[in-house]
Amino acid sequence: GAVVSQHPSRVICKSGTSVKIECRSLDFQATTMFWYRQFPKQSLMLMATSNEGSKATYEQGVEKDKFLINHASLTLSTLTVTSAHPEDSSFYICSARNLGGRSYNEQFFGPGTRLTVL
Amino acid sequence: SQELEQSPQSLIVQEGKNLTINCTSSKTLYGLYWYKQKYGEGLIFLMMLQKGGEEKSHEKITAKLDEKKQQSSLHITASQPSHAGIYLCGADMFNDMRFGAGTRLTVKP
Repeated sequence: GAVVSQHPSRVICKSGTSVKIECRSLDFQATTMFWYRQFPKQSLMLMATSNEGSKATYEQGVEKDKFLINHASLTLSTLTVTSAHPEDSSFYICSARNLGGRSYNEQFFGPGTRLTVL
Repeated sequence: SQELEQSPQSLIVQEGKNLTINCTSSKTLYGLYWYKQKYGEGLIFLMMLQKGGEEKSHEKITAKLDEKKQQSSLHITASQPSHAGIYLCGADMFNDMRFGAGTRLTVKP
């Protein structure tokens, strides 16, 4: 199956710093990538939808100025958590929609990035 | 807020027992996905169901989608400790995917 990677897998940062998370589709082109956040003992919550070459669409309640998303190519999307605070500590997962997949909406998930803000 | 109702929230079973997890939507689904997740790790794709009445099996796990495409069940036969984890259903909402709250499965040896 298609592979999606995320980097880094874990990051610890100080409060007030910015952290960038990369999501790459390794063997397919992804016109759309999705960013999810998961808090302890909770399910995945969609943060934003990222389309290549256009602005991301954010879900209600997600601050677009805090969570900057860039989808510069068909294989790379980045999520930057700006001025991170301890409440931003979470598990962030990206997924990519396979343009050439059997199912139009087939998505493949990355392994996730655990962010800890001290 | 969750658009999918998943039940039960947690489940503890004795090894060898069967179990069922349910996922219900108020809207007709384009597709229903089942994933397994160990907490803090990525998602493991289990199965995808698209057609009303569809049923798929993989090893000891069977998933069904009802005719109306609004309810799905995941059934594990003769559970093993390796089945333990969090099971998530994901609904294809055409433009994105929404997830159920998850079911935490514990299998006691």
